[in-house]
Amino acid sequence: GENVEQHPSTLSVQEGDSAVIKCTYSDSASNYFPWYKQELGKGPQLIIDIRSNVGEKKDQRIAVTLNKTAKHFSLHITETQPEDSAVYFCAASMRGYSTLTFGKGTMLLVSP
Amino acid sequence: GAVVSQHPSWVICKSGTSVKIECRSLDFQATTMFWYRQFPKQSLMLMATSNEGSKATYEQGVEKDKFLINHASLTLSTLTVTSAHPEDSSFYICSATRDREEQPQHFGDGTRLSIL
Repeated sequence: GENVEQHPSTLSVQEGDSAVIKCTYSDSASNYFPWYKQELGKGPQLIIDIRSNVGEKKDQRIAVTLNKTAKHFSLHITETQPEDSAVYFCAASMRGYSTLTFGKGTMLLVSP
Repeated sequence: GAVVSQHPSWVICKSGTSVKIECRSLDFQATTMFWYRQFPKQSLMLMATSNEGSKATYEQGVEKDKFLINHASLTLSTLTVTSAHPEDSSFYICSATRDREEQPQHFGDGTRLSIL
C-alpha cells in the first residue's frame, strides 16, 4: 500500500519567515495530494490540494509543488504569522479524493 | 461550504458503557464517510469507510463488533463504541466526501472519548 513520509516533524520559524514542509510518497499511482492544518483539539482543515496533472498551485500565502518523477510534494507558507502555528499533515490518495494515506505530521511554531 | 459537524465533542463515561458519536454533513450529501482515530501527537489512523446504505469497510485490525458504524442517510453516519474500556480512550474524527463529484474530504472537529 501507499506510504507517505513527512519532514520535518517540528519546524520553528520567526514571524514573517517562510516555512517549507516536504512529503514523499511511494506509489506512483497516487494522483491527489491534499494538505491539512490541525489546531489543538480540532479536526483537520483542508488548506490546499493538488492533482497529479498540475505541478504547482498557489492560494495567497500558501503554495504546493508536486514532482511526480521524484514522488514528492511540498507545502510552502510565506510571510508566516503566529496563527499559522499548528500541526500540518500531508496526504496522498490513489482513488481520486478517497482513502487518504497521511504523513505523520509537522508541528509548525511561528514565534512573534 | 462543506461543513461537517460531529457530536458530542467530548464524552467521559464509565468502563462498559456504549458510546455513540454522530457525524453530519450539513451542506452537502456525503456519499462516503470515514472514521479515524488519533492518539496524542500522532497522525490519523483510518478505522473504517462507510457508504450510504451499505455495510462499512473496516481497516485491518479494527474490530467491527467493537466499533459499529451506521451510515443510514447521505448526511449522517454514526460510530458506536460498544462496551468501551480505558484503552478505547482516544480522539475520534469523522470526515465526509461527495466522492462522485470528486469533492475533497472535509473533517469534523472530533470527539474526545475518555473511559474511566
